[in-house]
Amino acid sequence: GAVVSQHPSWVICKSGTSVKIECRSLDFQATTMFWYRQFPKQSLMLMATSNEGSKATYEQGVEKDKFLINHASLTLSTLTVTSAHPEDSSFYICSAGGGLDYGYTFGSGTRLTVV
Amino acid sequence: GNSVTQMEGPVTLSEEAFLTINCTYTATGYPSLFWYVQYPGEGLQLLLKATKADDKGSNKGFEATYRKETTSFHLEKGSVQVSDSAVYFCALRRNTGNQFYFGTGTSLTVIP
Repeated sequence: GAVVSQHPSWVICKSGTSVKIECRSLDFQATTMFWYRQFPKQSLMLMATSNEGSKATYEQGVEKDKFLINHASLTLSTLTVTSAHPEDSSFYICSAGGGLDYGYTFGSGTRLTVV
Repeated sequence: GNSVTQMEGPVTLSEEAFLTINCTYTATGYPSLFWYVQYPGEGLQLLLKATKADDKGSNKGFEATYRKETTSFHLEKGSVQVSDSAVYFCALRRNTGNQFYFGTGTSLTVIP
């Protein structure tokens, strides 16, 4: 079946630095990938839709200059958290896939801790 | 709009007990419905899905039926195991566009 690989699985960074998270579709091409954020004990909230070869579409309230998304190829999307702050600490998950009868495949997630 | 409402947890059951996690939805059009499971420290795994009314999704002893008349997709399992301890998310996806809408998740703990 379809596999989505997300890397790193966890990262600790200092305030003010930037962190890049990668999301790869391993055995299929994904023209669209989604980035979600999950706060402790809460559900996943869609942050943005990443489209290959074009600008990402951000949900209301998500700062596009802080969460930079690049979907440069059909198998790779990256999320860069710029100038990270402790309130950015969260669990970030990407998903990819498609088709009406296909459930999107999710990556294993990245736990970001900003200290 | 589109939204999913799940029963609040946490839920604690003894091994071999019957499990029901309620899920209702609001959607425009005819969405597909999903249950995802998240084990501690891991990402989401698709548990089962249903793409049209009256469809029953099933996997690993879990099942859920797409009920259009009650806009529900309740998750059930006849006999839970300790290994079923996880957080369960109900979700819908519109058939136009590919965005998912998730419920808040229900934490299940199964004790021996």
